[in-house]
Amino acid sequence: EPEVTQTPSHQVTQMGQEVILRCVPISNHLYFYWYRQILGQKVEFLVSFYNNEISEKSEIFDDQFSVERPDGSNFTLKIRSTKLEDSAMYFCASRVVKETQYFGPGTRLLVL
Amino acid sequence: ILNVEQSPQSLHVQEGDSTNFTCSFPSSNFYALHWYRWETAKSPEALFVMTLNGDEKKKGRISATLNTKEGYSYLYIKGSQPEDSATYLCAFMGGGSEKLVFGKGTKLTVNP
Repeated sequence: EPEVTQTPSHQVTQMGQEVILRCVPISNHLYFYWYRQILGQKVEFLVSFYNNEISEKSEIFDDQFSVERPDGSNFTLKIRSTKLEDSAMYFCASRVVKETQYFGPGTRLLVL
Repeated sequence: ILNVEQSPQSLHVQEGDSTNFTCSFPSSNFYALHWYRWETAKSPEALFVMTLNGDEKKKGRISATLNTKEGYSYLYIKGSQPEDSATYLCAFMGGGSEKLVFGKGTKLTVNP
């Protein structure tokens, strides 16, 4: 069964460093998402992406964040200058039909 | 601010017990209510997408109901098995938005 994959599974970085989180959505999907879950809190929406542009973003998704679909398969989230409070589990999701979003297993980011 | 609440926060049951938990969400501007099952280190798995008031969906021993007028959904598990142990997340989608707004989840532990 097709699935969303994410790399790396864990990433440790120093405050102020740039990180790129990678996702490979399900191949025929057209809509892509990033969510995150800070430990002990709810999963929260960051951004949605369709037709090579951002379709919706949350207040969290400020200028430090960017997304890109550099080729036909990858979908990336870049954090330019990481802060301690960016430590979280980051989930990628994708969908083709209305409603159902399929999630990857997440990347656990730790900012020291 | 959209608020989605789930109760209980955690639940311990014996194998063979039936159980249920609740998700409450805004009753205005409703579009869909999603249920996911999430095991640690795995991708959240989509269980149900519910859109119509009074909807009832079933997948094996798991079923869900929806009341959009009063803003709640119940998830039922009949004859719980140890492999049902997971966190069950509900997520609200409002009209005109791509984002899922999650509850904090109910962590179910089924003891053999």
